Amino acid sequence: DAGVIQSPRHEVTEMGQEVTLRCKPISGHNSLFWYRQTMMRGLELLIYFNNNVPIDDSGMPEDRFSAKMPNASFSTLKIQPSEPRDSAVYFCASSLGGGGSEKLFFGSGTQLSVL
Amino acid sequence: DAKTTQPPSMDCAEGRAANLPCNHSTISGNEYVYWYRQIHSQGPQYIIHGLKNNETNEMASLIITEDRKSSTLILPHATLRDTAVYYCIVRDNYGQNFVFGPGTRLSVLP
Repeated sequence: DAGVIQSPRHEVTEMGQEVTLRCKPISGHNSLFWYRQTMMRGLELLIYFNNNVPIDDSGMPEDRFSAKMPNASFSTLKIQPSEPRDSAVYFCASSLGGGGSEKLFFGSGTQLSVL
Repeated sequence: DAKTTQPPSMDCAEGRAANLPCNHSTISGNEYVYWYRQIHSQGPQYIIHGLKNNETNEMASLIITEDRKSSTLILPHATLRDTAVYYCIVRDNYGQNFVFGPGTRLSVLP
């Protein structure tokens, strides 16, 4: 298996532009997580899905952020409009949950820079 | 908020055992202890987890105290490639989030 695949690896954009980050989870996994990492705040959970349904989005900073999971093999995190304070590394992770212990598998992340 | 407390940093000599402590005094009966590590600029990587028994795999050993209020991750023969931030997380299996604290920055020195 190729693992969790995120795209793009790097994104540089200007303030006010729309940014879309993409994630393909490991085949067969039923939970998907979006995290953001900055030096100041560390790793923060933004939202997680179970069976394509958003379960907890309390970590989403504000209405400028939205996430979707239209099917079991794809998820997007959108920022519109983007701001310089959104600059961070965004990680997607997937797991096979639903009973028993659960392991998260992370992608390589998207480095976002908003100028 | 993270339910664990870890030292911010530790050093270890190459080839020696690295013992990383974690306090989780409020852990409940159905919560597992998980360890992950993050090597610079990569996504966090699963290492090991346990409920109450000690666990060992090809990467590390996990020692959980009898009262389960603390645990130690042991890397038996640390190498330079083990330099990373190590995260200890407690989580049940009924929908709790994986909450990452600041972790311990382990530096393996030649």
